[in-house]
Amino acid sequence: DIQMTQSPSTLSASVGDRVTITCRASQNINSWLAWYQQKPGKAPKVVIYKASSLERGVPSRFSGSGSGTEFTLTISSLQPDDFATYYCQQYNSYLYTFGQGTKLEIK
Amino acid sequence: EVQLLESGGGLVQPGGSLRLSCAASGLSFSNYAMSWVRQAPGKGLELVSTNSGSGGGTYYADSVKGRFTMSRDNSKSTVYLEVNSLRAEDTAVYYCAKGGGDKYDSNGYYSGCLDSWGQGILVTVSS
Repeated sequence: DIQMTQSPSTLSASVGDRVTITCRASQNINSWLAWYQQKPGKAPKVVIYKASSLERGVPSRFSGSGSGTEFTLTISSLQPDDFATYYCQQYNSYLYTFGQGTKLEIK
Repeated sequence: EVQLLESGGGLVQPGGSLRLSCAASGLSFSNYAMSWVRQAPGKGLELVSTNSGSGGGTYYADSVKGRFTMSRDNSKSTVYLEVNSLRAEDTAVYYCAKGGGDKYDSNGYYSGCLDSWGQGILVTVSS
């Protein structure tokens, strides 16, 4: 199975900050990488798919990059609504795997 | 608008069984891979099973292989998850999710990112 390693596990930041979350795959997944945002008690919501494509309706302050085994999610200027937990997920194969999550907290 | 509605969860004793259902609307259901993803209390997301589409394969996490069975009824736009031999560690919110149109598999089924999710259904395994 493909292992996904996400870092950091917790990130404290302030409104207006630029933040980056990293995800590493244990083998080449091309660009089949998605990022999800999850708020407490809610289902996850995709924000980035195919490594760098912005899901419809997601603000342009979210961006993704990378291919192969190294990927990043960047939020250019944090807004109050962005504080949540973020997960990466590979879908290169049907045995999808998720990173362990990054909790983005208000500093 | 795609909607996914899970049902069938609840409290069950260790060793017991349940059948979870996920009814879909707003899509050509048979064209899409569907997945079950679970989240134990306070933990991260774990893929349980994916069905790649009508006539396609079904894939399971090692943790549930041999105990859980995923199936689909395209005439009812519904996927099911039969969960047997339940353990305390199966306690979780179970979500169904739909494969996105950003990727096609070799049979032409949409197998991309999980772009629509149900609201989740809680399964609690406890005596």
